Amino acid sequence: DQQVKQNSPSLSVQEGRISILNCDYTNSMFDYFLWYKKYPAEGPTFLISISSIKDKNEDGRFTVFLNKSAKHLSLHIVPSQPGDSAVYFCAASASGGGNKLTFGTGTQLKVEL
Amino acid sequence: GAVVSQHPSWVICKSGTSVKIECRSLDFQATTMFWYRQFPKQSLMLMATSNEGSKATYEQGVEKDKFLINHASLTLSTLTVTSAHPEDSSFYICSASSVRASGRGLATDTQYFGPGTRLTVL
Repeated sequence: DQQVKQNSPSLSVQEGRISILNCDYTNSMFDYFLWYKKYPAEGPTFLISISSIKDKNEDGRFTVFLNKSAKHLSLHIVPSQPGDSAVYFCAASASGGGNKLTFGTGTQLKVEL
Repeated sequence: GAVVSQHPSWVICKSGTSVKIECRSLDFQATTMFWYRQFPKQSLMLMATSNEGSKATYEQGVEKDKFLINHASLTLSTLTVTSAHPEDSSFYICSASSVRASGRGLATDTQYFGPGTRLTVL
């Protein structure tokens, strides 16, 4: 039972454009969501998070939007840079980001010149 | 920032042997550490949660006698894969979290991940 889903396994975007990565969840108990970036054979790197009491959180080029009624969140990266090319995982928790996380399946982002 | 290290970064062993993987939080005290595994092109799957000084909590389907976890201090957790078999070959990743990290610019409500350990069992 995949409680956190990233339906797009891959995404290709031109440099300078906006990248939008999507994530859906099924467990209504989730109240904290995080996005991680991961390169092959490395651990995930924390990017940005959002609590369920908010619908938007912004940090530099990264913005996360949360739609609780739709159980959907998205990560916007603008402008996209070649260095952003990596696998992006969304993760969810029912008790804060410092506790048990359920990860999505990941989206491979490729930013092309 | 928060740095979590893992050692070794990769290991190859013979079937039947045991392998120990260390996870250290280098610049903060980790009240909780987590162990994940990742198969190729798949998501990270939580194996167990460990709190310093107490027994680890294992996820359903994870054999606690096969994957021994020790969290002896606030900066060190170890995962021992006992009697390893080829199906145990995977990428093992630890993470650490601490509610006391906020004073040094760290996000209090997140996990910081180690670089991972590639285990290959022949």
